[in-house]
Amino acid sequence: AQSVSQHNHHVILSEAASLELGCNYSYGGTVNLFWYVQYPGQHLQLLLKYFSGDPLVKGIKGFEAEFIKSKFSFNLRKPSVQWSDTAEYFCAVNFYNQGGKLIFGQGTELSVKP
Amino acid sequence: DAGVIQSPRHEVTEMGQEVTLRCKPISGHNSLFWYRQTMMRGLELLIYFNNNVPIDDSGMPEDRFSAKMPNASFSTLKIQPSEPRDSAVYFCASSFGTGFGNTEAFFGQGTRLTVV
Repeated sequence: AQSVSQHNHHVILSEAASLELGCNYSYGGTVNLFWYVQYPGQHLQLLLKYFSGDPLVKGIKGFEAEFIKSKFSFNLRKPSVQWSDTAEYFCAVNFYNQGGKLIFGQGTELSVKP
Repeated sequence: DAGVIQSPRHEVTEMGQEVTLRCKPISGHNSLFWYRQTMMRGLELLIYFNNNVPIDDSGMPEDRFSAKMPNASFSTLKIQPSEPRDSAVYFCASSFGTGFGNTEAFFGQGTRLTVV
């Protein structure tokens, strides 16, 4: 079965540090890719998405992600994090042979120290 | 648009009782998903509807769980009988499309279920 892996379970950074969260998926076919954020006690919100075209995708709040097809990866980046970025981040994949289903990674909890 | 609306927001019930969670998707969306979130297992897809028809229920844990979508604007997830291990946050999400390439999924606020 297709799967999504997020390597970092908990990341702790100081404000202004750079962020990179890893996401890999297990399928070599066509995929659509998403990053969601969940602030404490809230629902999931979309940060950015990739369907096709430029593999470097820019999202809200200064986040970006790069799709590297050869590595089956879609890593999330932000050059300078803020305390308000403290949240849980989820990578999600829509695999070509799975209809409209979104499969989520386990999530990465980000704690930003002021 | 009001977004995906779930009710109740919190539910505390005793083991053995029936629990019904409700979801109203975004108007115009034709795909609906039920997810369960726990610390141990993360976000699990329970069931996925497209045009009110269940497409994939392989994530439904066992026969105690059932889901229905009688029309395009309403879905329920029922647990009968409930057990303490069902305690989790249940999210409903909706999107538009007919399969691969659906728009992004929009999530409701979730229902926090506690079974004591």
